[in-house]
Amino acid sequence: EDKVVQSPLSLVVHEGDTVTLNCSYEVTNFRSLLWYKQEKKAPTFLFMLTSSGIEKKSGRLSSILDKKELFSILNITATQTGDSAVYLCAVEGKIIFGKGTRLHILP
Amino acid sequence: DSGVTQTPKHLITATGQRVTLRCSPRSGDLSVYWYQQSLDQGLQFLIQYYNGEERAKGNILERFSAQQFPDLHSELNLSSLELGDSALYFCASSLRPNGELFFGEGSRLTVL
Repeated sequence: EDKVVQSPLSLVVHEGDTVTLNCSYEVTNFRSLLWYKQEKKAPTFLFMLTSSGIEKKSGRLSSILDKKELFSILNITATQTGDSAVYLCAVEGKIIFGKGTRLHILP
Repeated sequence: DSGVTQTPKHLITATGQRVTLRCSPRSGDLSVYWYQQSLDQGLQFLIQYYNGEERAKGNILERFSAQQFPDLHSELNLSSLELGDSALYFCASSLRPNGELFFGEGSRLTVL
């Protein structure tokens, strides 16, 4: 059965800290791994990763995929209170989501 | 605004009843996905349609059914509702059968 596991489930840090969120997966017919940010309602797309070892960056956020070890990490540097959200990892096959990491940034 | 429209935004009903949730995908998107989100379970994949055909099925209960119409909008039917069906139901769409999903704002169902 396809599975996506995220860790930690919850994280509280101070503004300015750097955080690393983890996503491991087991899925048949892997096509890509996706990261989403969910604030109050609908998840919004952050990254899609298909190739191992290629870092994707967007401002203070970056992500990398390891297809051999079946995991991905999402890094957020110089965190801001606006980064507080649930970060979701999903993998294609069927698009299966992990339970998410709830990140809270203290001012 | 993702361009995906879901109605109704909120729905309160009683156990045993039947409801229909509606989703209009982004213009041009052919694929529609339905997810259920409850506090302890995260986003649970229910079902996916692509251009009117069922493409993938997740943990969708037999009491639930869905379809995608020729105009590409989709409906999720939930019947014989139970308290545990209370959740936020998301619809998402994408241009290709797989790839970046665009989510609607969700339909919050409360079963009393």
